[in-house]
Amino acid sequence: EAGVAQSPRYKIIEKRQSVAFWCNPISGHATLYWYQQILGQGPKLLIQFQNNGVVDDSQLPKDRFSAERLKGVDSTLKIQPAKLEDSAVYLCASSLLGENTEAFFGQGTRLTVV
Amino acid sequence: AQTVTQSQPEMSVQEAETVTLSCTYDTSESDYYLFWYKQPPSRQMILVIRQEAYKQQNATENRFSVNFQKAAKSFSLKISDSQLGDAAMYFCAYRNRDDKIIFGKGTRLHILP
Repeated sequence: EAGVAQSPRYKIIEKRQSVAFWCNPISGHATLYWYQQILGQGPKLLIQFQNNGVVDDSQLPKDRFSAERLKGVDSTLKIQPAKLEDSAVYLCASSLLGENTEAFFGQGTRLTVV
Repeated sequence: AQTVTQSQPEMSVQEAETVTLSCTYDTSESDYYLFWYKQPPSRQMILVIRQEAYKQQNATENRFSVNFQKAAKSFSLKISDSQLGDAAMYFCAYRNRDDKIIFGKGTRLHILP
């Protein structure tokens, strides 16, 4: 079974530029998560989708971050414009619906804003 | 709002010994799920063990076991016979009935040869 795919693996941009990350979840997984993990900290949930609808985006900085999951499969997370404090690893995860199902994670995208 | 607290930023254990990582959480819900995830330097998060809140029996997976104290809202991870490959960041995570998953700040585990 293919895992969660993310691209790119690494990205370096200058502040005020824009950047987009892509995630392809495991086939059949209705729930998709985007997390931000700053170095040395735990993952912070940015947005949770169920199919193509948003379940929770309470911690997404909506003035600069946006995410979509068209057709309930792939998802993109965009930052525009980027700030220095956005430097982090962005993790995508997916899971089946249901209470006892684990989330499967991709390898993440390491973003450096200079 | 639910929170997850891991009070040990770093731990060290001698190879072949036993170590316990602590986790507490705060919630007003009665049904939820708890997980321990491992994140090696390659940074891919891997599930170690899970626990359903309605089950009193503590979960075990080979050398990994948990001590789940629902009333105390405590969920510690015990690693027996520690191996060099166990060195990683360990995250405690809480999942509610809306499938929202939140993480603690993590504990970095060092294995001393």
